[in-house]
Amino acid sequence: SYELTQPPSVSVSPRQTASITCSGDRLGDKYACWYQQKPGQSPVLVIYQDTKRPSGIPERFSGSNSGNTATLTISGTQAMDEADYYCQAWDSSTVVFGGGTKLTVL
Amino acid sequence: QLQLQESGPGLVKPSETLSLTCAVSGGSISSSNYYWGWIRQPPGKGLEWIGSIYYSGNTYYNPSLKSRGTISVDTSKNQFSLKLRSVTAADTAVFYCARSTSVGVNTAMVYYFDYWGQGTLVTVSS
Repeated sequence: SYELTQPPSVSVSPRQTASITCSGDRLGDKYACWYQQKPGQSPVLVIYQDTKRPSGIPERFSGSNSGNTATLTISGTQAMDEADYYCQAWDSSTVVFGGGTKLTVL
Repeated sequence: QLQLQESGPGLVKPSETLSLTCAVSGGSISSSNYYWGWIRQPPGKGLEWIGSIYYSGNTYYNPSLKSRGTISVDTSKNQFSLKLRSVTAADTAVFYCARSTSVGVNTAMVYYFDYWGQGTLVTVSS
């Protein structure tokens, strides 16, 4: 079965750039999306179709996908961005989630 | 604004069947290009997709569930449901229902969940 691998944790200082990676075999041939989940809340879609932002998502969130790695980038990270982030893709008629990355804003 | 609301028992005994329903409001479950899915999250762990259904009844399931799950749709009530059989403590989780957009672009599938319910905790315990 297809797997997506994320680092368990990433730390960033306020106003700096955070990058969260998601790795999978030939992931660049698929479309990736990203969700943000804060404690006690439902996940929120922040990036879809590799690079697109849903309405209402700040411009500081961006995405890329090439080769075996998709990346979520948060520019000018704010304290409110501290959360768990999950990547997700579609493979062989199944939805696959990454294991999640806890972003800490120090 | 589309809203999804999960409902069902919060406590299920081991070996029994977990049953949940997701009521959709603010939009039609029969809209084209949308699948309706169930995702679960064990306490302190990550997201796991259970399965998804189209309004026509076409379904996809996570193979890891080993055919224990069944998703159905009732277009007249604008809702869809999940049944998970032979549950164990490992099935204890927050269960979310969500709408997914599914569209082929070039040679790949764009698939993402854009609306989520608030989630409901189901505990499996005797």
